[in-house]
Amino acid sequence: AQSVTQLGSHVSVSEGALVLLRCNYSSSVPPYLFWYVQYPNQGLQLLLKYTSAATLVKGINGFEAEFKKSETSFHLTKPSAHMSDAAEYFCAVEEAAGNKLTFGGGTRVLVKP
Amino acid sequence: GAVVSQHPSRVICKSGTSVKIECRSLDFQATTMFWYRQFPKQSLMLMATSNEGSKATYEQGVEKDKFLINHASLTLSTLTVTSAHPEDSSFYICSARFIGANEQFFGPGTRLTVL
Repeated sequence: AQSVTQLGSHVSVSEGALVLLRCNYSSSVPPYLFWYVQYPNQGLQLLLKYTSAATLVKGINGFEAEFKKSETSFHLTKPSAHMSDAAEYFCAVEEAAGNKLTFGGGTRVLVKP
Repeated sequence: GAVVSQHPSRVICKSGTSVKIECRSLDFQATTMFWYRQFPKQSLMLMATSNEGSKATYEQGVEKDKFLINHASLTLSTLTVTSAHPEDSSFYICSARFIGANEQFFGPGTRLTVL
């Protein structure tokens, strides 16, 4: 079965500092990969997705992620954190097109002024 | 485009009653809809997958008689929590996808509180 690991359930960064959220997956075939953001009591908003095109994917709000097949990773970064980035972030994997999503445990980001 | 709505956004009910949650795709035909459950400070767990006009496929451990899912049209799926109990209190999120889409589109979620 597919599994997704997000290292660190909580990350604290200073405003203006680099944001790095880690995601590793288990899959024997190249999957589709997603990063979502969730604000309190809201649904999920797609930040970016990898669907077997360019390995460096740019998303909304200045986020980007790099697919590294050799490391089975899809880490999310943002060069400069903003207060509005404080939220829960989820990495998700879809093993094949049209298949179900498997979510990681989530990482809560706290941004300090 | 690709907007999914849920109704209600928040519901409080008494133990033993049934609650229906609607999930609608507003601007596309959703051939597949998904229902997730999210406990506080936890990740999303897939409950079931439903394709329009056919029975839902439930994940292991999800009681199909407890969580009734209907996907009667290409724009509407419903989740009915039957005989709800306090342990059913949770945040329920639906998502939908259309043929050819390479992502799911998520609804805003429904907060269920069972007293």
